[in-house]
Amino acid sequence: DIQMTQSPSSLSASVGDRVTITCRAGQSISTYLNWYQQKPGKPPKVLIYAASRLQSGVPSRFSGSASGTDFTLTISSLQPEDYATYYCQQSYRTPYTFGQGTKLEMK
Amino acid sequence: EVQVVESGGGLVQPGGSLRLSCAVSGVSRFDFSNHYMDWVRQAPGRGLEWVGRTKNEANHYGSEYAASVEGRFTISRDASNYSLYLQMNSLKTEDTAIYYCARVGMSKAYYSFDYWGQGSLVTVS
Repeated sequence: DIQMTQSPSSLSASVGDRVTITCRAGQSISTYLNWYQQKPGKPPKVLIYAASRLQSGVPSRFSGSASGTDFTLTISSLQPEDYATYYCQQSYRTPYTFGQGTKLEMK
Repeated sequence: EVQVVESGGGLVQPGGSLRLSCAVSGVSRFDFSNHYMDWVRQAPGRGLEWVGRTKNEANHYGSEYAASVEGRFTISRDASNYSLYLQMNSLKTEDTAIYYCARVGMSKAYYSFDYWGQGSLVTVS
């Protein structure tokens, strides 16, 4: 199975901050990497697919990038509704695997 | 708008069985048949784990499973009812989780889970 390692596991930030979350794949996955946002009691919601493509309807403050096996999710200016847990997921091959999650909390 | 709704969760004893259903609406028969459909679970307070999938009609609705459930869980699809099923046998306490049904969106060769149900809680105790 392809291991996905996210960091940090938790993060405190303020509204307006620029936030970066990273995800490292255990092997090359090209750009088969998705990012999800999950709020308590809700299912995940896809934000970014193919490492850098913004899902329809997702605000442009969210962006993704890739460099080798390292992937980054950036929120350019944190909004109150962005406090949530974020997961990366590789779709290179099954079994699909997720990072352990990054909980973004209010500072 | 695509809607995904799971049902069938509940409390079951270790070694028991349970069947979850997933109903998809807001899509055409072609659209339902053309997409892969997956199950993803989340143990209480934990992260996300892929459980398995049923492929699309072009791939004969073939199924794949995570090693942790292979041989115990079976995924099937009824295109006439726009429904997906997860038959879970020989349940273990570690199968306790919220089970999500998710549609696999396909953009060229890139797959992601673009529609999710609200989840169905399965408790094995």
